[in-house]
Amino acid sequence: EDQVTQSPEALRLQEGESSSLNCSYTVSGLRGLFWYRQDPGKGPEFLFTLYSAGEEKEKERLKATLTKKESFLHITAPKPEDSATYLCVPCSGSARQLTFGSGTQLTVLP
Amino acid sequence: DVKVTQSSRYLVKRTGEKVFLECVQDMDHENMFWYRQDPGLGLRLIYFSYDVKMKEKGDIPEGYSVSREKKERFSLILESASTNQTSMYLCASREYTEAFFGQGTRLTVV
Repeated sequence: EDQVTQSPEALRLQEGESSSLNCSYTVSGLRGLFWYRQDPGKGPEFLFTLYSAGEEKEKERLKATLTKKESFLHITAPKPEDSATYLCVPCSGSARQLTFGSGTQLTVLP
Repeated sequence: DVKVTQSSRYLVKRTGEKVFLECVQDMDHENMFWYRQDPGLGLRLIYFSYDVKMKEKGDIPEGYSVSREKKERFSLILESASTNQTSMYLCASREYTEAFFGQGTRLTVV
């Protein structure tokens, strides 16, 4: 059974204080791993797809990395507008469904 | 640049009503999904479809049905709405390298 665990559940940072979010997964035949950002009351917004261990992708202050068992979302010098819940979704080659983590709720204080 | 569109942002329905939630995608994706999202429970899969007229139950299909008559459209049907179906409903569309969500429908059953 595919599993994904995100940590921490909640993270509060001061503006400019860099940190990382963790996503640990157990998926048979990983096809790719998606990261999403979700604002309250809205649908998840697609950020990245990572395909293989060692791959990195960047978007503004966010950088996602992937190993065989984990993915990290690094946030550099965050701003209050980066406050959101970040969701990690590993995709199995054997299943059509998406397996969601519970997310990390990030709050960036001004 | 809209990719997945849900027909309503907010709905209020009465107990026992038949409710239709519509979702349209413009990416020619084969796979479409309906989730509900509740505080503390994360995203839970209701139904998904991997082709026209094809559907599979997700984790919580009870009280719901779906219809996919055309590739771009996936409908969720609440046969007889109940108060415990008050939730945020999210439609998603996926190919292997990408998956996008609609903006969500906040359904309240009174």
